[in-house]
Amino acid sequence: GAGVSQSPSNKVTEKGKDVELRCDPISGHTALYWYRQSLGQGLEFLIYFQGNSAPDKSGLPSDRFSAERTGGSVSTLTIQRTQQEDSAVYLCASSRQGGETQYFGPGTRLLVL
Amino acid sequence: GENVEQHPSTLSVQEGDSAVIKCTYSDSASNYFPWYKQELGKRPQLIIDIRSNVGEKKDQRIAVTLNKTAKHFSLHITETQPEDSAVYFCAASPLNNNDMRFGAGTRLTVKP
Repeated sequence: GAGVSQSPSNKVTEKGKDVELRCDPISGHTALYWYRQSLGQGLEFLIYFQGNSAPDKSGLPSDRFSAERTGGSVSTLTIQRTQQEDSAVYLCASSRQGGETQYFGPGTRLLVL
Repeated sequence: GENVEQHPSTLSVQEGDSAVIKCTYSDSASNYFPWYKQELGKRPQLIIDIRSNVGEKKDQRIAVTLNKTAKHFSLHITETQPEDSAVYFCAASPLNNNDMRFGAGTRLTVKP
Protein backbone atom coordinates (compact mmCIF):
# COMPACT_ATOMS: atom_id res chain seq x y z
CA GLY A 1 0.00 0.00 0.00
CA ALA A 2 0.96 3.64 -0.09
CA GLY A 3 3.63 4.78 2.30
CA VAL A 4 4.06 8.06 4.11
CA SER A 5 4.15 10.99 1.71
CA GLN A 6 5.37 14.52 2.27
CA SER A 7 5.14 17.73 0.31
CA PRO A 8 6.83 19.70 -0.95
CA SER A 9 9.97 17.64 -1.47
CA ASN A 10 12.06 20.81 -1.55
CA LYS A 11 11.34 24.30 -0.32
CA VAL A 12 13.50 27.39 -0.67
CA THR A 13 12.36 30.44 1.23
CA GLU A 14 13.65 33.78 2.37
CA LYS A 15 14.49 34.51 5.97
CA GLY A 16 11.46 35.83 7.80
CA LYS A 17 8.86 34.09 5.65
CA ASP A 18 6.46 31.43 6.95
CA VAL A 19 6.46 27.89 5.54
CA GLU A 20 4.04 24.97 5.74
CA LEU A 21 5.13 21.39 5.36
CA ARG A 22 2.62 18.61 4.81
CA CYS A 23 2.59 14.95 5.82
CA ASP A 24 0.17 12.22 4.73
CA PRO A 25 0.61 9.21 7.02
CA ILE A 26 -0.14 5.61 6.17
CA SER A 27 -3.88 5.02 6.27
CA GLY A 28 -5.00 3.70 9.65
CA HIS A 29 -1.87 4.77 11.50
CA THR A 30 -2.89 6.60 14.65
CA ALA A 31 0.55 7.91 15.59
CA LEU A 32 2.39 10.62 13.65
CA TYR A 33 5.80 12.11 14.34
CA TRP A 34 7.80 15.04 13.02
CA TYR A 35 11.61 15.07 13.11
CA ARG A 36 14.26 17.47 11.95
CA GLN A 37 17.54 16.27 10.49
CA SER A 38 20.32 18.72 9.85
CA LEU A 39 23.03 17.80 7.35
CA GLY A 40 24.96 14.78 8.57
CA GLN A 41 23.18 14.77 11.91
CA GLY A 42 20.74 12.53 13.75
CA LEU A 43 16.98 12.67 14.11
CA GLU A 44 15.75 15.50 16.30
CA PHE A 45 12.26 14.79 17.66
CA LEU A 46 9.87 17.72 17.22
CA ILE A 47 6.27 16.68 17.92
CA TYR A 48 4.08 13.58 18.23
CA PHE A 49 0.37 13.05 17.64
CA GLN A 50 -1.52 10.00 18.93
CA GLY A 51 -5.18 9.69 18.01
CA ASN A 52 -7.27 12.40 19.62
CA SER A 53 -4.88 12.95 22.51
CA ALA A 54 -3.14 16.25 23.08
CA PRO A 55 0.10 16.27 21.04
CA ASP A 56 3.49 15.93 22.68
CA LYS A 57 5.16 19.20 21.71
CA SER A 58 8.19 18.75 23.93
CA GLY A 59 10.65 18.74 21.02
CA LEU A 60 9.60 21.95 19.32
CA PRO A 61 12.66 24.23 19.41
CA SER A 62 10.79 27.53 19.66
CA ASP A 63 7.32 29.07 19.53
CA ARG A 64 7.88 29.75 15.82
CA PHE A 65 7.20 26.05 15.26
CA SER A 66 3.69 24.59 15.41
CA ALA A 67 1.89 21.59 13.99
CA GLU A 68 -1.64 20.42 13.46
CA ARG A 69 -3.20 17.12 12.60
CA THR A 70 -6.66 17.41 11.14
CA GLY A 71 -9.13 14.55 11.32
CA GLY A 72 -6.50 12.23 12.71
CA SER A 73 -4.79 11.97 9.32
CA VAL A 74 -2.89 14.70 7.47
CA SER A 75 -0.50 16.85 9.46
CA THR A 76 0.97 20.27 8.74
CA LEU A 77 4.14 21.61 10.32
CA THR A 78 4.33 25.40 10.23
CA ILE A 79 7.47 27.41 10.77
CA GLN A 80 6.89 31.13 11.21
CA ARG A 81 9.49 33.83 10.55
CA THR A 82 12.00 31.29 9.27
CA GLN A 83 15.65 31.63 10.20
CA GLN A 84 18.70 30.27 8.39
CA GLU A 85 19.25 27.74 11.20
CA ASP A 86 15.87 26.21 10.33
CA SER A 87 17.43 24.83 7.14
CA ALA A 88 17.26 21.05 7.40
CA VAL A 89 15.34 18.02 6.20
CA TYR A 90 12.01 17.67 7.96
CA LEU A 91 10.92 14.04 8.22
CA CYS A 92 7.49 12.76 9.08
CA ALA A 93 6.83 9.21 10.31
CA SER A 94 3.73 7.28 11.23
CA SER A 95 3.05 4.09 13.16
CA ARG A 96 0.03 1.96 13.94
CA GLN A 97 0.20 3.28 17.46
CA GLY A 98 2.73 4.97 19.69
CA GLY A 99 5.93 3.06 20.33
CA GLU A 100 5.59 0.73 17.36
CA THR A 101 7.59 0.62 14.16
CA GLN A 102 7.76 4.03 12.55
CA TYR A 103 7.61 4.39 8.77
CA PHE A 104 9.25 7.49 7.42
CA GLY A 105 8.27 9.76 4.58
CA PRO A 106 10.82 11.02 2.06
CA GLY A 107 11.23 14.30 3.88
CA THR A 108 11.03 17.96 2.92
CA ARG A 109 14.37 19.65 2.34
CA LEU A 110 14.03 23.23 3.59
CA LEU A 111 16.55 25.90 2.69
CA VAL A 112 16.23 29.33 4.26
CA LEU A 113 18.24 31.98 2.44
CA GLY B 1 12.26 10.18 29.32
CA GLU B 2 14.35 7.73 27.37
CA ASN B 3 17.96 8.54 26.47
CA VAL B 4 19.78 6.46 23.85
CA GLU B 5 23.52 6.56 23.25
CA GLN B 6 25.08 5.00 20.16
CA HIS B 7 28.69 4.08 19.39
CA PRO B 8 30.74 4.43 17.33
CA SER B 9 29.75 7.55 15.41
CA THR B 10 31.73 6.37 12.40
CA LEU B 11 32.86 2.89 11.41
CA SER B 12 34.93 1.82 8.44
CA VAL B 13 35.37 -1.85 7.55
CA GLN B 14 36.73 -3.84 4.66
CA GLU B 15 34.24 -5.66 2.46
CA GLY B 16 33.56 -9.10 3.90
CA ASP B 17 34.39 -8.12 7.47
CA SER B 18 31.82 -7.81 10.25
CA ALA B 19 30.49 -4.57 11.68
CA VAL B 20 29.09 -4.04 15.17
CA ILE B 21 27.19 -1.00 16.39
CA LYS B 22 26.25 -0.66 20.05
CA CYS B 23 23.54 1.28 21.84
CA THR B 24 22.65 1.83 25.47
CA TYR B 25 19.36 3.10 26.83
CA SER B 26 18.27 4.55 30.13
CA ASP B 27 14.60 3.69 30.64
CA SER B 28 14.18 0.18 32.05
CA ALA B 29 10.56 0.26 30.81
CA SER B 30 11.73 0.25 27.19
CA ASN B 31 10.85 -2.98 25.49
CA TYR B 32 11.00 -2.28 21.77
CA PHE B 33 14.30 -1.68 19.95
CA PRO B 34 14.28 -1.00 16.20
CA TRP B 35 17.24 -0.34 13.92
CA TYR B 36 16.99 1.93 10.90
CA LYS B 37 19.26 2.29 7.88
CA GLN B 38 19.47 5.62 6.08
CA GLU B 39 21.24 5.76 2.76
CA LEU B 40 22.51 9.09 1.50
CA GLY B 41 19.61 11.36 0.59
CA LYS B 42 17.01 8.73 1.45
CA ARG B 43 14.56 8.22 4.29
CA PRO B 44 15.39 6.00 7.30
CA GLN B 45 14.08 2.47 6.78
CA LEU B 46 13.55 -0.25 9.34
CA ILE B 47 15.97 -3.14 8.87
CA ILE B 48 15.39 -5.19 12.01
CA ASP B 49 13.80 -4.85 15.41
CA ILE B 50 13.71 -6.77 18.67
CA ARG B 51 11.34 -6.91 21.57
CA SER B 52 12.42 -7.50 25.13
CA ASN B 53 11.05 -11.01 25.34
CA VAL B 54 13.91 -12.25 23.14
CA GLY B 55 17.67 -11.87 23.46
CA GLU B 56 18.66 -12.21 19.81
CA LYS B 57 17.10 -11.99 16.39
CA LYS B 58 18.67 -12.74 13.02
CA ASP B 59 17.73 -11.93 9.46
CA GLN B 60 20.26 -13.19 6.94
CA ARG B 61 23.45 -11.14 7.46
CA ILE B 62 21.93 -8.91 10.12
CA ALA B 63 21.46 -9.75 13.79
CA VAL B 64 20.48 -7.79 16.86
CA THR B 65 21.24 -8.76 20.45
CA LEU B 66 19.65 -7.36 23.58
CA ASN B 67 20.87 -7.37 27.17
CA LYS B 68 18.07 -5.97 29.30
CA THR B 69 20.02 -6.25 32.52
CA ALA B 70 22.80 -4.06 31.19
CA LYS B 71 20.38 -1.97 29.09
CA HIS B 72 22.28 -2.32 25.89
CA PHE B 73 21.63 -3.73 22.44
CA SER B 74 23.79 -4.20 19.39
CA LEU B 75 23.52 -4.55 15.63
CA HIS B 76 25.79 -7.07 13.94
CA ILE B 77 26.32 -7.13 10.18
CA THR B 78 28.34 -10.04 8.82
CA GLU B 79 30.00 -10.37 5.41
CA THR B 80 29.61 -6.65 4.81
CA GLN B 81 29.09 -5.37 1.28
CA PRO B 82 29.57 -1.88 -0.18
CA GLU B 83 25.79 -1.45 -0.33
CA ASP B 84 25.71 -1.75 3.47
CA SER B 85 27.35 1.69 3.57
CA ALA B 86 24.84 4.03 5.22
CA VAL B 87 23.97 5.70 8.50
CA TYR B 88 22.42 3.34 11.03
CA PHE B 89 20.17 4.53 13.85
CA CYS B 90 19.11 2.58 16.90
CA ALA B 91 16.03 3.49 18.92
CA ALA B 92 14.32 2.42 22.12
CA SER B 93 10.74 2.76 23.30
CA PRO B 94 8.23 1.37 25.74
CA LEU B 95 5.46 -0.24 23.68
CA ASN B 96 2.30 1.84 23.34
CA ASN B 97 4.23 4.90 24.34
CA ASN B 98 5.36 7.84 22.26
CA ASP B 99 8.67 8.09 24.05
CA MET B 100 10.76 6.49 21.28
CA ARG B 101 14.16 8.09 21.13
CA PHE B 102 16.84 7.59 18.51
CA GLY B 103 20.57 7.27 18.88
CA ALA B 104 22.77 9.83 17.14
CA GLY B 105 23.60 7.44 14.32
CA THR B 106 26.63 5.52 13.05
CA ARG B 107 28.05 6.20 9.64
CA LEU B 108 29.21 2.85 8.27
CA THR B 109 31.56 2.74 5.30
CA VAL B 110 32.34 -0.59 3.66
CA LYS B 111 35.44 -0.37 1.51
CA PRO B 112 35.60 -2.66 -1.52
